Amino acid sequence: DAGVIQSPRHEVTEMGQEVTLRCKPISGHDYLFWYRQTMMRGLELLIYFNNNVPIDDSGMPEDRFSAKMPNASFSTLKIQPSEPRDSAVYFCASSLAAGGSGYTFGSGTRLTVV
Amino acid sequence: QKEVEQNSGPLSVPEGAIASLNCTYSDRGSQSFFWYRQYSGKSPELIMSIYSNGDKEDGRFTAQLNKASQYVSLLIRDSQPSDSATYLCAVHGSSNTGKLIFGQGTTLQVKP
Repeated sequence: DAGVIQSPRHEVTEMGQEVTLRCKPISGHDYLFWYRQTMMRGLELLIYFNNNVPIDDSGMPEDRFSAKMPNASFSTLKIQPSEPRDSAVYFCASSLAAGGSGYTFGSGTRLTVV
Repeated sequence: QKEVEQNSGPLSVPEGAIASLNCTYSDRGSQSFFWYRQYSGKSPELIMSIYSNGDKEDGRFTAQLNKASQYVSLLIRDSQPSDSATYLCAVHGSSNTGKLIFGQGTTLQVKP
């Protein structure tokens, strides 16, 4: 299995631009998670899906952030408009069961908003 | 009080020593506990899981769980410089959700 695949690996964008991050979970995993990691705040859960349905988006910082999972093999996290404080590493992770088996993380997308 | 707490470190140990990493959690009903290792610039990697009180050993790694004290630890025996990384504790709480709660992580430095 190729693992959780994220793209792009790095993204540099100007403030105000739209940013779209992509994730392909491990086949057969029915949970998908989006996390953001910064030095100050550590690993923060933004949103997670179960069987393509958003379950908890309470970690999404504000309306500028949105996430979709149109099918079992693809999810996007969009930031519009982007701001410098959104600069972070964004991880996607997937799991087979409801938290009891741990997650597999993707390689992450390092986002820099200038 | 944070849901999952770890000492941020850095924890520095000499090569060959035992490194002890600690984690406390607030949800008394938590059932599943995990340790992730994260090298600088890389993604977290699952290295240990533990579900019941006591010790669980895997090679040089031992996870210890004490639910009464709400405490989980990771011991690394014969520490190697390649063990230098940030170690994240993660807890699956008592609510019927899929999410793990992560601690801030402890940075371990193993000096040759």
